[in-house]
Amino acid sequence: QEQLEQSGAEMKTPGASVKVSCKASGYNFINYDISWVRQAPGQGLEWMGWMNPSSGNTDYAQRFQGRVAMTRSTSTDTAYMELRSLRSDDTAMYYCARRRRSGWSFDSWGQGTLVTVSS
Amino acid sequence: QSALTQPASVSGSPGQSIAISCTGTSNDIGAYNVVSWYQLQPGKAPKLIIYDVNEGPSGVSNRFSGSKSGNTASLTISDLQPEDEADYFCCSYAGTPTYWVFGGGTKLTVL
Repeated sequence: QEQLEQSGAEMKTPGASVKVSCKASGYNFINYDISWVRQAPGQGLEWMGWMNPSSGNTDYAQRFQGRVAMTRSTSTDTAYMELRSLRSDDTAMYYCARRRRSGWSFDSWGQGTLVTVSS
Repeated sequence: QSALTQPASVSGSPGQSIAISCTGTSNDIGAYNVVSWYQLQPGKAPKLIIYDVNEGPSGVSNRFSGSKSGNTASLTISDLQPEDEADYFCCSYAGTPTYWVFGGGTKLTVL
């Protein structure tokens, strides 16, 4: 059964960086794009960007350009999302999500990683 | 402010049917037949329940159905069950450079 397992909760101070991991299992990691989606407290979901694990190609939502980096390790089937220059409004649950093959929806999600930014 | 507009909450009794609307624009919902719906429950990974407007993934109850008209999509849950209590989010592909937009979420309470 395909599964995405994310790293644990993080607490950061403003200006710091955070790197969240997402380990895939139960399927061929390089065959499915991975997106990152976040949900701030009391808010809706927000798409941050995507990565092709085979090529490493990425594209990011405009509002995160220059502040986010999505990478991967094909040896460990793990995707990473690093967010820099953290602000208090980056406090959110961060999810990785697998894009459905040949589709435009997300058929498998990680359990979420809570990132808290506070001084 | 989310790109897609959903009601903040809906409620229903067991056995009833409810519908959740999701309103976008001609650049997202109106442009592509790829609306998807997700169920979020505390402590669980989000779950895909509808894709491509009205397709149900394998293993998801057929009590969940979807539709679309113009710039508005809808999720219908029939024969409500207590375990359906959750937050529901709609999503649409919106082309580049936006890619994907989501709704603000609807909290379903099963009375």
